[in-house]
Amino acid sequence: NAGVTQTPKFQVLKTGQSMTLQCAQDMNHEYMSWYRQDPGMGLRLIHYSVGAGITDQGEVPNGYNVSRSTTEDFPLRLLSAAPSQTSVYFCASSLGLAGDEQYFGPGTRLTVT
Amino acid sequence: DAKTTQPPSMDCAEGRAANLPCNHSTISGNEYVYWYRQIHSQGPQYIIHGLKNNETNEMASLIITEDRKSSTLILPHATLRDTAVYYCIVRGAANAGKSTFGDGTTLTVKP
Repeated sequence: NAGVTQTPKFQVLKTGQSMTLQCAQDMNHEYMSWYRQDPGMGLRLIHYSVGAGITDQGEVPNGYNVSRSTTEDFPLRLLSAAPSQTSVYFCASSLGLAGDEQYFGPGTRLTVT
Repeated sequence: DAKTTQPPSMDCAEGRAANLPCNHSTISGNEYVYWYRQIHSQGPQYIIHGLKNNETNEMASLIITEDRKSSTLILPHATLRDTAVYYCIVRGAANAGKSTFGDGTTLTVKP
């Protein structure tokens, strides 16, 4: 198993540009989520999904969209990038919501100028 | 929402046990306590989790108080490679959308 993969590893955007961060898992996990981590801080939940076709907002959803058309993929879209979205983005997956560990991807480091 | 409180930093001598505390006084009955760690800027790594009983695996032990309002992660023989940020979170089916990581405890293992 490759586990949780994320692309790209690094990305620089200009203010106002849009892009999609990719996340995929090959463990047949139902639950997937996106976090952002700002320098020196913990991870904050952006959006999550409990299964294909089902998504919901986390703690900091503004400026981001998600969709879950397949069990394997959970892309995160930045609609109009802002400098405040400069952060490291982590994708995670778990088999279920309770009693199951989350597996994290290696992260995408995004800089918005 | 069940929030957690952890000390911002701790030191531990190499070879000694590291005991990392976590307060989760608002935890509800169906929420689990999880511990993860993050080394440098890598993705967090799962360590251990528990509901009511104490748990042990090859990495660590988790001690949960009887009232479940606090817990302690124990690394029995800390090594330099255990230097990391350790996160304690509570998570259950009802709060998965609000399951967020606080700032964690930076553990520094010293020779």
